[in-house]
Amino acid sequence: KQEVTQIPAALSVPEGENLVLNCSFTDSAIYNLQWFRQDPGKGLTSLLLIQSSQREQTSGRLNASLDKSSGRSTLYIAASQPGDSATYLCAVVGAAGGTSYGKLTFGQGTILTVHP
Amino acid sequence: NAGVMQNPRHLVRRRGQEARLRCSPMKGHSHVYWYRQLPEEGLKFMVYLQKENIIDESGMPKERFSAEFPKEGPSILRIQQVVRGDSAAYFCASSPPPDRLNQPQHFGDGTRLSIL
Repeated sequence: KQEVTQIPAALSVPEGENLVLNCSFTDSAIYNLQWFRQDPGKGLTSLLLIQSSQREQTSGRLNASLDKSSGRSTLYIAASQPGDSATYLCAVVGAAGGTSYGKLTFGQGTILTVHP
Repeated sequence: NAGVMQNPRHLVRRRGQEARLRCSPMKGHSHVYWYRQLPEEGLKFMVYLQKENIIDESGMPKERFSAEFPKEGPSILRIQQVVRGDSAAYFCASSPPPDRLNQPQHFGDGTRLSIL
């Protein structure tokens, strides 16, 4: 059974810092890994999707890497801003058994606070 | 181009009543996923549907819960005889066919269900 773990559970940093969020998964048989952002009372916004054959993806100040063999991913946020404050979720689409149907297995999330 | 629409945003029910949650996918999407976010827990997959078909309901409780996605109209998640433990945020996500495994899922803002 796939399990996804995110560390740290919470992170508080001053504005301008570069930071790294970590995600690990127990079964390396995945189709892709996705990073989402969730604001309070809102749904999830997709930030980056990394295919299993890829090593990293970049979007603006965000960079996500994937090491499938070791079951790890990191989300790097450069020059953090107060508007980056949110919960960041990592999720994988498993490939074990060949019938994942695209369903996501989520980590518990990292609550990020960027203070001015 | 409207995103995934869920209604109601908030729903209050008394124990024993029925709850109906609705989800209209993004235009052009014919695949719908339902996830549940219990307090202090991560998002968990419940069910995956295509139009008129339940494809994977492995995450849905066997009793009191049902889901449908008719040919016309929104997908509906139905909870009969609700109990306090059903209080949670229920999220719907949609994805386009047929290459769903390489596309991010688009999430609605969720329905917050509270059981009195």
